[in-house]
Amino acid sequence: EPEVTQTPSHQVTQMGQEVILRCVPISNHLYFYWYRQILGQKVEFLVSFYNNEISEKSEIFDDQFSVERPDGSNFTLKIRSTKLEDSAMYFCASSEFSGTGELFFGEGSRLTVL
Amino acid sequence: RKEVEQDPGPFNVPEGATVAFNCTYSNSASQSFFWYRQDCRKEPKLLMSVYSSGNEDGRFTAQLNRASQYISLLIRDSKLSDSATYLCAGRTGNQFYFGTGTSLTVIP
Repeated sequence: EPEVTQTPSHQVTQMGQEVILRCVPISNHLYFYWYRQILGQKVEFLVSFYNNEISEKSEIFDDQFSVERPDGSNFTLKIRSTKLEDSAMYFCASSEFSGTGELFFGEGSRLTVL
Repeated sequence: RKEVEQDPGPFNVPEGATVAFNCTYSNSASQSFFWYRQDCRKEPKLLMSVYSSGNEDGRFTAQLNRASQYISLLIRDSKLSDSATYLCAGRTGNQFYFGTGTSLTVIP
């Protein structure tokens, strides 16, 4: 069964360091997303991406964040200068169709900022 | 304004019980709805899509009421393995909006 894959599964970094989280969406999907979930809290939308550009972003997705699709398969989230409050689980997700298709999540990348 | 709202619970039910979760949504333009299951420290996994006509998958039944703008999930004959957080989600265009999740614990 096709799945969204994410690396790394866990990353520990020092405050102020740059972090890149990687995702390989399901191959025939067209819409890509990043969500985050702080431990014990709700799943929060960060950004959506379609046709090689950001289609929507939340207030959380400030100038410290960026996304990129460097090739035909990878979808990355970069945090330029990590803060303690960036510690969370980051989920990549993808969807096939507009309007009715389901959203499928990767297993997540746990980011710990010290 | 929250797009999707649900009771966070927790719901603690005995094994074999029937439990129902409701979720309300604010955007009448939302096109599709879903229930996801999330285990502790894991990703949300799609449980089922929700159709206007209602749909059933084994012990799980989902319903959509567009007039009242709510969706529901009914779990019959609860199993210990059903213990998890259940998230409702609505899709408007290319955006998915998630509720905060309802915590379910099935007790032996």
